[in-house]
Amino acid sequence: GDSVTQMEGPVTLSEEAFLTINCTYTATGYPSLFWYVQYPGEGLQLLLKATKADDKGSNKGFEATYRKETTSFHLEKGSVQVSDSAVYFCARTISSGSARQLTFGSGTQLTVLP
Amino acid sequence: EAQVTQNPRYLITVTGKKLTVTCSQNMNHEYMSWYRQDPGLGLRQIYYSMNVEVTDKGDVPEGYKVSRKEKRNFPLILESPSPNQTSLYFCASSSTGGIINEQFFGPGTRLTVL
Repeated sequence: GDSVTQMEGPVTLSEEAFLTINCTYTATGYPSLFWYVQYPGEGLQLLLKATKADDKGSNKGFEATYRKETTSFHLEKGSVQVSDSAVYFCARTISSGSARQLTFGSGTQLTVLP
Repeated sequence: EAQVTQNPRYLITVTGKKLTVTCSQNMNHEYMSWYRQDPGLGLRQIYYSMNVEVTDKGDVPEGYKVSRKEKRNFPLILESPSPNQTSLYFCASSSTGGIINEQFFGPGTRLTVL
């Protein structure tokens, strides 16, 4: 079935460190891929997306590249800030039925220390 | 301001007492969805709706009902809540035109069933 697998957290980094959060997806259909971010006490917000292989999504210094050969969509940021502390969710569209349906990974808690 | 609103934000209830969580969006979106978020499980879809009077089950629909009588509203109904429905619930909406669009999430409703 359609699923995404994220690296388990929590992840704790110092400010200005390099961030990678791994995400892999099942190779069914031609999914669009997303990273959502959830700040404390809030709903999810779209961080970035990619709709086809080799696309790179980017926003707020975060990047992720749609890698079909490795079925991956890893999230990276060169220099994290305290304000990046949040839970990050990788998601993909499902390969059948409504194109609006998403399946989410389990989330990765990121804490950035000053 | 474009937004998805949910009410209540927090609710403590007892087993078997019917409750409704409201969701409303002001973006004229066709698609709306309900998710529950549980530790280690990420977000799981409960029900979704492609448009008025069109609803369908997601991954975990048991124990829930929904209705879509108006485009802007998509209430989640728990006819007889049980403790395993204690969770954080999110409503989301998106437009359906063009390529896949981002889902906009409400702030969440934290439900405790005693």
